Amino acid sequence: TQLLEQSPQFLSIQEGENLTVYCNSSSVFSSLQWYRQEPGEGPVLLVTVVTGGEVKKLKRLTFQFGDARKDSSLHITAAQPGDTGLYLCAGYDMDSNYQLIWGAGTKLIIKP
Amino acid sequence: SQTIHQWPATLVQPVGSPLSLECTVEGTSNPNLYWYRQAAGRGLQLLFYSVGIGQISSEVPQNLSASRPQDRQFILSSKKLLLSDSGFYLCAWSTTRNSPLHFGNGTRLTVT
Repeated sequence: TQLLEQSPQFLSIQEGENLTVYCNSSSVFSSLQWYRQEPGEGPVLLVTVVTGGEVKKLKRLTFQFGDARKDSSLHITAAQPGDTGLYLCAGYDMDSNYQLIWGAGTKLIIKP
Repeated sequence: SQTIHQWPATLVQPVGSPLSLECTVEGTSNPNLYWYRQAAGRGLQLLFYSVGIGQISSEVPQNLSASRPQDRQFILSSKKLLLSDSGFYLCAWSTTRNSPLHFGNGTRLTVT
């Protein structure tokens, strides 16, 4: 069974703090996506990373794809209450006929 | 621009009753279509996907079925609901097998 381990599962921090969410696997991914989901809604794509070592920035969010394309991280600088939500990573697994593998999600709460 | 519509938003059904959830996509042709189920605040479980009209792949054997009667229409059905069918159901589409997914807003199904 292919796994994409996402950590932490839950994070509650104060506004203004920094945080990092991780997605790790033993599989190699052709691409990896990050989504954010708010309660009662579907996930919304934040970014796709494709190249090993790639770094993408979306305002205060920084996404990195590992050199070996087996892991990724999401770093949020100066978190704000609007960042609250469920963050999901998902990758197309090259070792398994490009199945889309999902992490279990990180529930993030930013307290004002 | 492309849009995805999923309805109803919420549904309460008794055990043993039938189910029909509908999803339509606008603004694109021949999309890949997906049905997912999500446990409360957690990751996504792929139920069915379709690469074309009448082509359905089932990922998890269960009490549900899917159909794609038209290019941009995807239907999730059950003849007799079980309590364990309760959950949050999400429809999604993508342009190709390896591209990011775009989700509807989901249906919260409660089986009583």
